[in-house]
Amino acid sequence: GAGVSQSPSNKVTEKGKDVELRCDPISGHTALYWYRQSLGQGLEFLIYFQGNSAPDKSGLPSDRFSAERTGGSVSTLTIQRTQQEDSAVYLCASSLFLAGAFSTDTQYFGPGTRLTVL
Amino acid sequence: KQEVTQIPAALSVPEGENLVLNCSFTDSAIYNLQWFRQDPGKGLTSLLLIQSSQREQTSGRLNASLDKSSGRSTLYIAASQPGDSATYLCAVGGTDKLIFGTGTRLQVFP
Repeated sequence: GAGVSQSPSNKVTEKGKDVELRCDPISGHTALYWYRQSLGQGLEFLIYFQGNSAPDKSGLPSDRFSAERTGGSVSTLTIQRTQQEDSAVYLCASSLFLAGAFSTDTQYFGPGTRLTVL
Repeated sequence: KQEVTQIPAALSVPEGENLVLNCSFTDSAIYNLQWFRQDPGKGLTSLLLIQSSQREQTSGRLNASLDKSSGRSTLYIAASQPGDSATYLCAVGGTDKLIFGTGTRLQVFP
């Protein structure tokens, strides 16, 4: 079946502009995650959605970052007033959340969106 | 705060060798541990998931072990091939997110 898809694959923007990144999870997956991978650094957790519950925003680096998930499926990560340090690859992942389990199942990642802020 | 470390940071070997990649974590209170590979410019591909109650998982030439009490996991790659060249990441899982290590960059040459 189809995997996690993300769009756009590449985004170049000017400092100060707003950007929206989109993620389509695997159908039936209730958990959705956003991560950021900066050059030379590891993967950094940003935000997590589980079903219709309020998202865990603990990883968002600043209040310029926000995310929403409509209808429990597609998610959009918005970065307002972009800064050069926002340049990174933004990865989305989804997984099943097994009923009765304490943790999620395998996370499946999309190809990422490479954001460059000039 | 959970910290995940991978050793070595980079590895270059001839084809056919058996390899061991190491992952260590500071907080043993994890729910699972996942190994991924990442090819240049690409997303992550899940290789193996070990639940906290398990000791190891196998898939083809890959075998991953988990020792929660010592905070360690190893990924064993048997009979390495040039197609195995990639960055390998381990990630420890809680209830809501993964904490990633910095990766081991593997190159297998013919």
